[in-house]
Amino acid sequence: GQQVMQIPQYQHVQEGEDFTTYCNSSTTLSNIQWYKQRPGGHPVFLIQLVKSGEVKKQKRLTFQFGEAKKNSSLHITATQTTDVGTYFCAVRSSGGYQKVTFGTGTKLQVIP
Amino acid sequence: NAGVMQNPRHLVRRRGQEARLRCSPMKGHSHVYWYRQLPEEGLKFMVYLQKENIIDESGMPKERFSAEFPKEGPSILRIQQVVRGDSAAYFCASSPEGVGNNGYTFGSGTRLTVV
Repeated sequence: GQQVMQIPQYQHVQEGEDFTTYCNSSTTLSNIQWYKQRPGGHPVFLIQLVKSGEVKKQKRLTFQFGEAKKNSSLHITATQTTDVGTYFCAVRSSGGYQKVTFGTGTKLQVIP
Repeated sequence: NAGVMQNPRHLVRRRGQEARLRCSPMKGHSHVYWYRQLPEEGLKFMVYLQKENIIDESGMPKERFSAEFPKEGPSILRIQQVVRGDSAAYFCASSPEGVGNNGYTFGSGTRLTVV
């Protein structure tokens, strides 16, 4: 399956600061998905991007898919304590069999 | 419409015992996926099942682990003769024909602790 690497592994920010996590691949991706997992919780699907250069927004969250479809980013503006958790990017295999492979995740801690 | 239901939420087993984890997919979903998450790590694919069929078990350890999704009832992930290294959170997700544009819907997971 397609492999994706995420950076950074951990990030501590002061409440109100911005946060960005990056997802990179050595190969062209057909799509990218983003999930959030709260501490002690389960992964929750946030969004899927499929088009080159696509940008989508959900309130303070901005998701971007690179022009070459080899990288993606999630940016959170003015973080809040409710943003705490681990953010995973993931790739869904193309074709008839759609397995999702997850990145390593970025753990976000927000300091009030 | 109930979501993906997993039980038990927490399971404690002694080394050498068997662990049985259950997953009931969302209504109308016929595809089930199991993932394992070791402490402070990401989600690792284990197995993909459809009703009565194992489609991809490439992530399953060769020994002690098995999975099924019978025609009736929940999907079961079975771990025989558990060892400490099996301690992890096991998540199940389901989908209809394919993931489509909506991503996976995960259950709340089973946290297995082997003592």
